[in-house]
Amino acid sequence: EAQVTQNPRYLITVTGKKLTVTCSQNMNHEYMSWYRQDPGLGLRQIYYSMNVEVTDKGDVPEGYKVSRKEKRNFPLILESPSPNQTSLYFCASSPLVGAEAFFGQGTRLTVV
Amino acid sequence: AQTVTQSQPEMSVQEAETVTLSCTYDTSENNYYLFWYKQPPSRQMILVIRQEAYKQQNATENRFSVNFQKAAKSFSLKISDSQLGDTAMYFCAFMKPRGKGSEKLVFGKGTKLTVNP
Repeated sequence: EAQVTQNPRYLITVTGKKLTVTCSQNMNHEYMSWYRQDPGLGLRQIYYSMNVEVTDKGDVPEGYKVSRKEKRNFPLILESPSPNQTSLYFCASSPLVGAEAFFGQGTRLTVV
Repeated sequence: AQTVTQSQPEMSVQEAETVTLSCTYDTSENNYYLFWYKQPPSRQMILVIRQEAYKQQNATENRFSVNFQKAAKSFSLKISDSQLGDTAMYFCAFMKPRGKGSEKLVFGKGTKLTVNP
């Protein structure tokens, strides 16, 4: 089954404790992206990757890191999480620009 | 920069009736892509419909259709014969076809639709 898999789905952590949210897709898509969803703000792009070893900042990259060492994986790293990073996070992939974006199930992160 | 505006934070409709969700956008591009995504309580983001700006014909997918008015920069979603399973948050989104900004979907803030029995 074609899918984007995120883990974990729920995470509660404390301020400053490094964490990684994993994202994996099995569709051989070149393009992957991370978004955060906040009430009243819709979804905003954090980082994106056009291919292996090619990543760039989106609209809200502060406090986040990503890597793309393999085509299928695109982890999101929070080196020192803060409460303002409490949000719902989505990973997405697509085969090319303008095509349907396939989203993961979302990760609900709470930083206390 | 492109912006997407959904002016209806919440809407409700009776089962089997028709409802229209509004979306306007701002861009200087001539060609682009527009999308409607559905997010049910499960949180999953599901593509409802996709429109390419250079195509005059409005996109349709079963009970879902759009009214694309390029000159007015309007992209409304019509849901016919509403069903309880249509209850969800609906997001309108924009994407450039090339160049800087083509790597992301620009989302509106969403419209929460409730279908009542």
